[in-house]
Amino acid sequence: QVQLQESGPGLVKSSETLSLTCIVSGGSISSYYWSWIRQPAGKGLEWIGRIYSTGSTNYNPSLKSRVTMSVDTSKNQFSMKLSSVTAADTAVYYCARGRGPGTIGDYWGQGTLVTVSS
Amino acid sequence: QSALTQPASVSGSPGQSITISCTGTSSDVGTYNLVSWYQQHPGKAPKLMIYEGSKRPSGVSTRFSGSKSGNTASLTISGLQAEDEADYYCCSYADSFTFVFGGGTKLTVL
Repeated sequence: QVQLQESGPGLVKSSETLSLTCIVSGGSISSYYWSWIRQPAGKGLEWIGRIYSTGSTNYNPSLKSRVTMSVDTSKNQFSMKLSSVTAADTAVYYCARGRGPGTIGDYWGQGTLVTVSS
Repeated sequence: QSALTQPASVSGSPGQSITISCTGTSSDVGTYNLVSWYQQHPGKAPKLMIYEGSKRPSGVSTRFSGSKSGNTASLTISGLQAEDEADYYCCSYADSFTFVFGGGTKLTVL
């Protein structure tokens, strides 16, 4: 059974960079698409972007200027950096696996709350 | 890239059927048959219920079905059960290799 686990600081200061890692277990990271999705408290889901196991990336146009994703196949994990954060970036961040190029998440992590403080 | 439009809430009694709509544009739902639906219970991660418009992942009840007409996709849940009460989100593949979610629909089982 594939499992995903997000890790990273739960508190980030405004204007700094948010960094998260998703560790994949129970399956290989190769040949799949891996996405980051976030959800502010009480609000809906927002797709941040995705990375293929070869390193190819696609980003949400509204976040593209601030997002960078990377993958480490040797460690079976992938990561995300979001720069110049503000309070609006406070949310639960999820990582997920896409079963194909047209689907985001057949497996999801449990989510991690990141709070941006001033 | 605008969010897909879903009703804020729907409700139904146990045993009934309900349908949740998800309206997009020709840049997403209308062009690509790549709409997925997610169920989210409070405090939990979303769960994939339908992908590629109408396909069900292994283990998802046959009571859940998906369809599309034009720019609108739909999720139908038949034989409503108390455990179906949750938030439901649609998501579509869109132009320029991106994805867009709907705003979410809260399903209440009366």
